[in-house]
Amino acid sequence: GAGVSQTPSNKVTEKGKYVELRCDPISGHTALYWYRQSLGQGPEFLIYFQGTGAADDSGLPNDRFFAVRPEGSVSTLKIQRTERGDSAMYLCASSLLGDSDTQYFGPGTRLTVL
Amino acid sequence: SQQGEEDPQALSIQEGENATMNCSYKTSINNLQWYRQNSGRGLVHLILIRSNEREKHSGRLRVTLDTSKKSSSLLITASRAADTASYFCATVPYSGAGSYQLTFGKGTKLSVIP
Repeated sequence: GAGVSQTPSNKVTEKGKYVELRCDPISGHTALYWYRQSLGQGPEFLIYFQGTGAADDSGLPNDRFFAVRPEGSVSTLKIQRTERGDSAMYLCASSLLGDSDTQYFGPGTRLTVL
Repeated sequence: SQQGEEDPQALSIQEGENATMNCSYKTSINNLQWYRQNSGRGLVHLILIRSNEREKHSGRLRVTLDTSKKSSSLLITASRAADTASYFCATVPYSGAGSYQLTFGKGTKLSVIP
């Protein structure tokens, strides 16, 4: 595809529920990143994939958050037992190689936990 | 944690005027990137400047980098109403672990009045 795509664009869920957010990177990009952006703030790093493996998951806030990229392309960010504080914009980005390459962002998924 | 600090937090100008936004950061960098975000959606990459570069141009955009002062500026010349957006600087650390993580500031909200 032409750019990074993310689905859904909006997700409303209830506290305690499980959610999955999907990211389709630019074709051929080996590196994929997830960021989280709270209202009025800049995005904050969550996790970085190089190929199929999570090269750095140090930004995940706690063990309720998990991400996979099983075939080295599409990635899913999974959040268990959602809390109201998880409400934010979740942004995915990809880059050709990683390691200080330009990162291209998707449109984001706005998650609202009621 | 956020490394960059944009200044000002908000800027309102008339169409046709120039807009200047500044960014300061704390640690040594490999490169610094500027992004635009419309209405809380995805980030659009504008320009990347490497630590050994001092100035870069792209269309109506001019970015400067002063590594001795750990600061950068983004100049938008002849602004248009369509430039209304939030602008973020993001840094990539110089080397070692995390040399792919973008660390964003809180952004400058630019309003261009027709």
